Amino acid sequence: DAGVIQSPRHEVTEMGQEVTLRCKPISGHDYLFWYRQTMMRGLELLIYFNNNVPIDDSGMPEDRFSAKMPNASFSTLKIQPSEPRDSAVYFCASGGEGRDEQFFGPGTRLTVL
Amino acid sequence: DQQVKQNSPSLSVQEGRISILNCDYTNSMFDYFLWYKKYPAEGPTFLISISSIKDKNEDGRFTVFLNKSAKHLSLHIVPSQPGDSAVYFCAASRVGGGSNYKLTFGKGTLLTVNP
Repeated sequence: DAGVIQSPRHEVTEMGQEVTLRCKPISGHDYLFWYRQTMMRGLELLIYFNNNVPIDDSGMPEDRFSAKMPNASFSTLKIQPSEPRDSAVYFCASGGEGRDEQFFGPGTRLTVL
Repeated sequence: DQQVKQNSPSLSVQEGRISILNCDYTNSMFDYFLWYKKYPAEGPTFLISISSIKDKNEDGRFTVFLNKSAKHLSLHIVPSQPGDSAVYFCAASRVGGGSNYKLTFGKGTLLTVNP
């Protein structure tokens, strides 16, 4: 199994631009999570899906952030417009029914200039 | 308001000795605790977990201890190896209301094991 796949691995953009991060979860996993890691706030959950349906988006920082999961094998996290304070590493994770089972992708390092 | 705290940003130990990483939590509703390990440029990987009905869980060189009254858990690595050098995250979740899978993470502790 290839594990959770994220693209791009690195993204550098200018303030005001739209950014789209992509995630392919592990096949058969029902849960998909988006996390953000920053020095100030550590690793924080933004949103998670169960069977492609958003369950909890209370961690999404503001309306500039949106996430979709159109099917079981693909999810996107979009930031529009992007701001320098959005610079962080964004992780996608997927999991099954067990509480131990969150498998993380390698992350996307986003830099907004 | 940090509900999961790892107060030591870094820890350095000698190979072969014990590494003890600590974690405190404030939310008494948390009933499941996990440790993740993270190498640079990789995502966190699950290491070991413990349910609140237990006070100890062991897996090879890794043991997690839970003290519910103190709202404190610790990860012991014995013996420590240079390959254990990584950032260790403590995480917690609570059952019910769809929160089973909602992990709250600490900020991590960088462990360096010196040969």
